[in-house]
Amino acid sequence: KAGVTQTPRYLIKTRGQQVTLSCSPISGHRSVSWYQQTPGQGLQFLFEYFSETQRNKGNFPGRFSGRQFSNSRSEMNVSTLELGDSALYLCASSLLAGATTDTQYFGPGTRLTVL
Amino acid sequence: DAKTTQPNSMESNEEEPVHLPCNHSTISGTDYIHWYRQLPSQGPEYVIHGLTSNVNNRMASLAIAEDRKSSTLILHRATLRDAAVYYCILRDTRGSTLGRLYFGRGTQLTVWP
Repeated sequence: KAGVTQTPRYLIKTRGQQVTLSCSPISGHRSVSWYQQTPGQGLQFLFEYFSETQRNKGNFPGRFSGRQFSNSRSEMNVSTLELGDSALYLCASSLLAGATTDTQYFGPGTRLTVL
Repeated sequence: DAKTTQPNSMESNEEEPVHLPCNHSTISGTDYIHWYRQLPSQGPEYVIHGLTSNVNNRMASLAIAEDRKSSTLILHRATLRDAAVYYCILRDTRGSTLGRLYFGRGTQLTVWP
């Protein structure tokens, strides 16, 4: 079974631009979560989607948004990029949403650099 | 939000056992304890989880204190491939944050050949 895939793997943007990142979950998984990882803040939860609905949201500004499609694939968008948005963005998929025993499977991440 | 405390770093020699501690003194009765690890240049990967009893799988063992305020991840024979950041996570069972993973800083494990 193929793992979680994320595209693109690397991205360079300039301040003020917007960016869209894509995540394809493991086949059969219906929940997708997004995390931001930076050296300063570590891994921080962005949001979780299940059945095309946002179920959970972290403490990030409204510039960060996401959506999930009927095939469970998910995209996240960051508008008006700032230097501080430079980070590794990780996507994780799981069978269910919010199940405390459910395992999350992470993709390799998208490395975003904002210049 | 992390609610767990881990040492910043630990070291081990190859083929020796490793005990990675985690304190979670504010754990609630229904919080599950999960461990993930992140190898260099990769996303985190699941290691093991438990609620009250000790757990074993092919990767590791999880020993949970009787009062559940601490736990220990045990790698029985460390290999070079086990060098990673290990995260101890409480899986929240309450309210709107149900199931969210809170990653702390983790423990950087170095394995020497």
